[in-house]
Formats: sequence, structure tokens, C-alpha cells
Amino acid sequence: GAVVSQHPSWVICKSGTSVKIECRSLDFQATTMFWYRQFPKQSLMLMATSNEGSKATYEQGVEKDKFLINHASLTLSTLTVTSAHPEDSSFYICSATTQVTGSYEQYFGPGTRLTVT
Amino acid sequence: QQQVKQSPQSLIVQKGGISIINCAYENTAFDYFPWYQQFPGKGPALLIAIRPDVSEKKEGRFTISFNKSAKQFSLHIMDSQPGDSATYFCAASMNTGFQKLVFGTGTRLLVSP
Repeated sequence: GAVVSQHPSWVICKSGTSVKIECRSLDFQATTMFWYRQFPKQSLMLMATSNEGSKATYEQGVEKDKFLINHASLTLSTLTVTSAHPEDSSFYICSATTQVTGSYEQYFGPGTRLTVT
Repeated sequence: QQQVKQSPQSLIVQKGGISIINCAYENTAFDYFPWYQQFPGKGPALLIAIRPDVSEKKEGRFTISFNKSAKQFSLHIMDSQPGDSATYFCAASMNTGFQKLVFGTGTRLLVSP
């Protein structure tokens, strides 16, 4: 149980275009989803926290107009990188949690590799 | 105060040996301390987690030791195997808000055959 999927697993896009990444909780309802980015050989950096039906909360230094997050349902959150540039190339990882069981454990997706050319 | 310091940055252990990774934190409000294992190109996977009301938790070959007074916790991997070669992250969160995780910087473990 507690499986999180991401789609696509990798994507290449041209500079100036937008790309959408989906994060789905497959067998549970995710009250909260988190989006991270990870550069090579570095730790995970939290970008934003989203709750179903409400606006995402962005971490300091993360451009909310560039990284659009939509948590439309209890099983789906999307991250849209708008007007992507090469410096946006990174590994994007989502996680999901549910407070139903009270464990507050985060379940991570497999990640999406974004390359902007 | 939100940082979690992790050491060492990299570690080489012989097969069958014990791998030890250490983390330290400052914020005494943290009350959940998980360890994650990440293989290249994959998302992190939860290995084991501990809450501050216990000093040790063991699951198979993985043990967390927790020292509340020193604000330190460590991961011990007994009988390390080549398949354990991965990057390990400690993390911490508090039971407020959305329980955001604060990650350590990571330790790249290589278990030599």
C-alpha cells in the first residue's frame, strides 16, 4: 500500500515552453502533497506544500508564478514549470501524506527528470 | 535552527561490516526522525523512523539510535551488503502544520564486495 506515482518519469522540453508533472496517490487519499527538487548529488529541497482544494504554500525563494501547483483532488497534484529555462533542469519529486492514520509518514514518488534544452 | 546536519558525506564499508551515519539537530520541537534510502534516479524510500520517546529502534539490519539530550540520532546498518550501496538521508519534522520534513545533506554509502 501507500504508492505514489509520477508522470512522466522523464521529460525533455525546449527553453520557453511549459511542462506539467503529475503526482498521484494510487491507493490512499492524500490530504497533503509536497513537491521537492533535487540537483545531482544534493539533498531534497522542498519547493511547496499543497492541500486538496486550497492554494499551495511555497517555500522562501521559490517563484510561485513559475512553478504552478494544483492539488485538484485527494489523489492528484500537478506541478507546471512555466517558461522553462535550462537552470530549471532538475529531478522533481513529489510526496504525499495522509493524516487519517495519524502517522504523518510521507510517501515519495519515483521522481521526474526534467531537462530543458 | 531548522537544519539537520548529517555526516559523513560519503562512506565506504566492506561487505559484512557496520555502516554508521550520524545526524544532529537543533530544534527541540522536532518529534519525528525518519531515515530514507535513495538509489540513483529514484525517489527516496522510507527505511526506518523513530520518535523521541524511545532511544533505539531496530528493523532487520537497520537500527536507529536516538540521543535526545545530545540532539543526535544515527543509523546503523549491520552486515552491510553491496545492495545497500545508495544515498541515505536523515530527516526531521515536527507535529505542527503540515509536518514538513527537513532533510540532512545525505551520505553516499558504498559497500565493497
